[in-house]
Amino acid sequence: DAGVTQSPTHLIKTRGQQVTLRCSPKSGHDTVSWYQQALGQGPQFIFQYYEEEERQRGNFPDRFSGHQFPNYSSELNVNALLLGDSALYLCASSPNRGASYNEQFFGPGTRLTVL
Amino acid sequence: RKEVEQDPGPFNVPEGATVAFNCTYSNSASQSFFWYRQDCRKEPKLLMSVYSSGNEDGRFTAQLNRASQYISLLIRDSKLSDSATYLCVVIHGGFKTIFGAGTRLFVKA
Repeated sequence: DAGVTQSPTHLIKTRGQQVTLRCSPKSGHDTVSWYQQALGQGPQFIFQYYEEEERQRGNFPDRFSGHQFPNYSSELNVNALLLGDSALYLCASSPNRGASYNEQFFGPGTRLTVL
Repeated sequence: RKEVEQDPGPFNVPEGATVAFNCTYSNSASQSFFWYRQDCRKEPKLLMSVYSSGNEDGRFTAQLNRASQYISLLIRDSKLSDSATYLCVVIHGGFKTIFGAGTRLFVKA
């Protein structure tokens, strides 16, 4: 049973460019959340997707957008990259119901460097 | 004031010691609570959920105090492999997940 997978593992971009990160949830999970983690900090909640809709958003600008597909996989898009966007981007999946509701399992992350 | 606050540590303890971490949260409407551990340059991994009645998993015990708005994690008989960053997680508004900045633990031989 595959856990949460993310691609790519590493990415280097320059300021002003756009980037798309991808996530496949753990089998049986239908909810996907995205986080940004800067060095030495805890993960910061970007948004959560369920039923192909963004249902909760953290304090991130509109440059951060996402999408969820019918197979529950998800993409995170960041436009007009800034140096400060350099971070580890984590995807987490969870079931929307049952005893494990809200228990999130994380992928290995995508390390984004903006030059 | 941060929504979720943790003592960053580091906590340096010998093998076999008992160590406790606390985490405070500001939103009294928070409804779900968890502890995660994160190893250096790895993803966070779920350690345990936290309930008002308290819960135990082997050497780990978690407790929630809603009146004082804090959660705690107790690790007994520390092992070298327990060295990691421990992240407190609070969920409110149904789906908004807030992580603390983490507490670093070093267990030494």
